[in-house]
Amino acid sequence: EDQVTQSPEALRLQEGESSSLNCSYTVSGLRGLFWYRQDPGKGPEFLFTLYSAGEEKEKERLKATLTKKESFLHITAPKPEDSATYLCAVQAPNTGTASKLTFGTGTRLQVTL
Amino acid sequence: EAQVTQNPRYLITVTGKKLTVTCSQNMNHEYMSWYRQDPGLGLRQIYYSMNVEVTDKGDVPEGYKVSRKEKRNFPLILESPSPNQTSLYFCASSFKGLGQPQHFGDGTRLSIL
Repeated sequence: EDQVTQSPEALRLQEGESSSLNCSYTVSGLRGLFWYRQDPGKGPEFLFTLYSAGEEKEKERLKATLTKKESFLHITAPKPEDSATYLCAVQAPNTGTASKLTFGTGTRLQVTL
Repeated sequence: EAQVTQNPRYLITVTGKKLTVTCSQNMNHEYMSWYRQDPGLGLRQIYYSMNVEVTDKGDVPEGYKVSRKEKRNFPLILESPSPNQTSLYFCASSFKGLGQPQHFGDGTRLSIL
């Protein structure tokens, strides 16, 4: 069974204090790994897609990396507006040619002044 | 503005009273999907649609129905709601399928008493 585990569940950082969020996965035949950001009362908002080990993507203070077992979302010099829940999802084969998306439970990030 | 619109945003109702949650997207996306989000369980897919008149079950389809008569609309129907369907529901769409970034609505919080 496909599994996606995110850690830590919650993280509190001071403004400017860099850190990393982890998404470890167990799937057969990864087709893609997605990172989303979710603000309270809102739907998830797409951040990155990674397809193969060694791939990296960057956007402002965020950088996502991928290995064969896990992905990291690095946050450099975070600001209070980076506070949100970050979700990881993996796409893997399902039946036939269909695929399936499995979400982790997220990391709740709070950045304080 | 590109968006996915869900209605209602909040609903409190009683067991057995049929309800419909509407979802509409203005991006001409082929793929649409419904998820439920529960604490500790992450987002789980209920149903999805690859295109007009093409729908299929996700991971947790029991107790739900969908239809896709028009490309832009993908309503979620609860014929006889039960308390275990109390949850936060999200509609999402993407251009072609799961392998592409999904655009999410802002959610519908359903309480079934």
